[in-house]
Amino acid sequence: DIQMTQSPPSLSASVGDRVTITCRASQTINNFLNWYQQKPGKAPELLIYAASSLHSGVPSRFSGSASGTDFTLTISSLQPEDFATYYCQQTYRTFRTFGQGTKVEI
Amino acid sequence: QVQLVQSGAEVKKPGSSVKVSCKASGGTSISYAISWVRQAPGQGLEWMGGIIPLFETTNYSQKFQGRVTITADDSTSTVYMELSSLGPEDTAVYFCARDSGNYIDTTYFFYMDVWGNGTTVTVSS
Repeated sequence: DIQMTQSPPSLSASVGDRVTITCRASQTINNFLNWYQQKPGKAPELLIYAASSLHSGVPSRFSGSASGTDFTLTISSLQPEDFATYYCQQTYRTFRTFGQGTKVEI
Repeated sequence: QVQLVQSGAEVKKPGSSVKVSCKASGGTSISYAISWVRQAPGQGLEWMGGIIPLFETTNYSQKFQGRVTITADDSTSTVYMELSSLGPEDTAVYFCARDSGNYIDTTYFFYMDVWGNGTTVTVSS
């Protein structure tokens, strides 16, 4: 299986901060990389697909980028509603795998 | 707008099985793939497997191979996930999700864009 390694596991930030979360794939995944946001007690929500494409309805302060097997999710200016846990996911192989998650907290 | 509605919480004994349902609202035919993802308390997301009802094709994570069965009933627009030989480590919230996607140039990129409400399964003696 393809392993997805996210970092950091958690981070503390303030409203207005620029936040960056990284995800590294154990092998090439040709940008088949998605980012999800999950709030406590809720299902995950899709933010970014294909490494850098913004899903419909997602605010433009979210962006994604890729460099080889390294992927980055950036929140340009953290808003109160952005405090949540973020997961990367590869869909290059049928056997999808998620990163371990990054909790963004105050 | 498609919605996925899951069955209610379950409490099971170790060694038993559980079957969770995921129904597409509005009578929408299940023409797209459905994945099952679980989340143990305080833990991350774990993909279990998926089904493409149109082709009656299933794929399972190696971790659950032999213990999980995913089926679909197109007449009721419902997908089922059955997990057997339950242990306390199977206590988790189980989500179904639409495995959809989009073309960028000539490449189809997959993603999970619609999620069910989650079903809590508790395994306890």
